[in-house]
Parts: sequence; structure tokens; C-alpha cells
Amino acid sequence: GAVVSQHPSRVICKSGTSVKIECRSLDFQATTMFWYRQFPKQSLMLMATSNEGSKATYEQGVEKDKFLINHASLTLSTLTVTSAHPEDSSFYICSAREDTQYFGPGTRLTVL
Amino acid sequence: TQLLEQSPQFLSIQEGENLTVYCNSSSVFSSLQWYRQEPGEGPVLLVTVVTGGEVKKLKRLTFQFGDARKDSSLHITAAQPGDTGLYLCAGDQGAQKLVFGQGTRLTINP
Repeated sequence: GAVVSQHPSRVICKSGTSVKIECRSLDFQATTMFWYRQFPKQSLMLMATSNEGSKATYEQGVEKDKFLINHASLTLSTLTVTSAHPEDSSFYICSAREDTQYFGPGTRLTVL
Repeated sequence: TQLLEQSPQFLSIQEGENLTVYCNSSSVFSSLQWYRQEPGEGPVLLVTVVTGGEVKKLKRLTFQFGDARKDSSLHITAAQPGDTGLYLCAGDQGAQKLVFGQGTRLTINP
């Protein structure tokens, strides 16, 4: 199947700083990528749809100014968590769709 | 937003037993996917079902899509410790968006 990568796999940051997470489709082009958040022992919750060359579409309750998404190319989308707080600590997962959705390995964010 | 109810949420059984996980909704989905997720990793696609009544088999795993495309089931025969993991169903809402069930955390004891 198609391969989606994420970087970094783990990140620890101080409260108030910003963190950027990259999502890449390695062997296919994706005009649309998705960003999910997963709390411990819970399922995936869709945060936003990242559209290449246009603004992201955010799900209800997700702050667009806090979770900045940029989809500058057909193989790269980035999620920036701005002014991170401990409650933003979570497992962030991206996906990209070719014939079906393929998920990245996730990024564990810990905000101290 | 369409909702998917997945059950059971936790299941612990002995090696060799059979089990079924259910995924139900009041809404119709154009397709439904089953994923398996290991701790600290992203979900890995097991199967996609598209046609109402469709049955797909993947070794000891049997997936079924309901006739009305509102529900699905995953049946595992002769479970093995290697089947342990989080199983997620996800329905295609359209516009390429997926909605996930709560997940079933499966533990197979040797």
C-alpha cells in the first residue's frame, strides 16, 4: 500500500511554544490530507481537512488559529500547534488519500 | 456528523476462541473501512467494504457489510495472541472524510 510518513514521531515542548508536524505522502500525490487527534484509549477524531493550494477546512470545535495547517505541495502538509498548552498533549495522526486513506505513523506531542 | 457505534469496546478472550466486533450506525455510508492500530502507531487498513451485503475474508478475519450499508461486522476465527490490538471501523461520510467508531481493544490471552 501507499506510504505516509510523519515527522517528528515524538516531540516534547514547553508551554507557550509552537510545534510543527510534517505529513508526507512518499509515493503518491495527495490533493487532500487529513489531520486527526487521538487521546489515550480513545478513537481518532478528525480535526481538519488539508487541501493543497487552498485553506484547510476545520471540524466544529477545532480552533483554526491554534492549529495552523499548510498544504503547500501535493506531497506535504504541515500542522503547527501554536502556543501549545499541556491540554494539547496528544497523539496527532495524518492521512492521505489515494484509492483509500493511508495513515501516517503518528506524532506524540507532550507539552510540559 | 454521522456516528458509528462500535461494540464491544473491550474484549479479552483465550487463544483459539472466536469473536465478533460490531459497527452500527443509523446512517448510510458509501463505504466502510476496518483498521488495526498498534500502540504508538497509526492505523493500518485491513479491508474496505463497499457493496451492501458484501463479505470479504482476510485469512481468519471475515468482514461483512450490512445490506443497507449502515452496519458492519468483523469476525475472527480461532483468535491468536498476534491478533491483539485496537480495531477501528470507519465510515466514509463523503467528501473523502472518515468517521471512526470508538474502537475495540482486543486482547488474546495465550
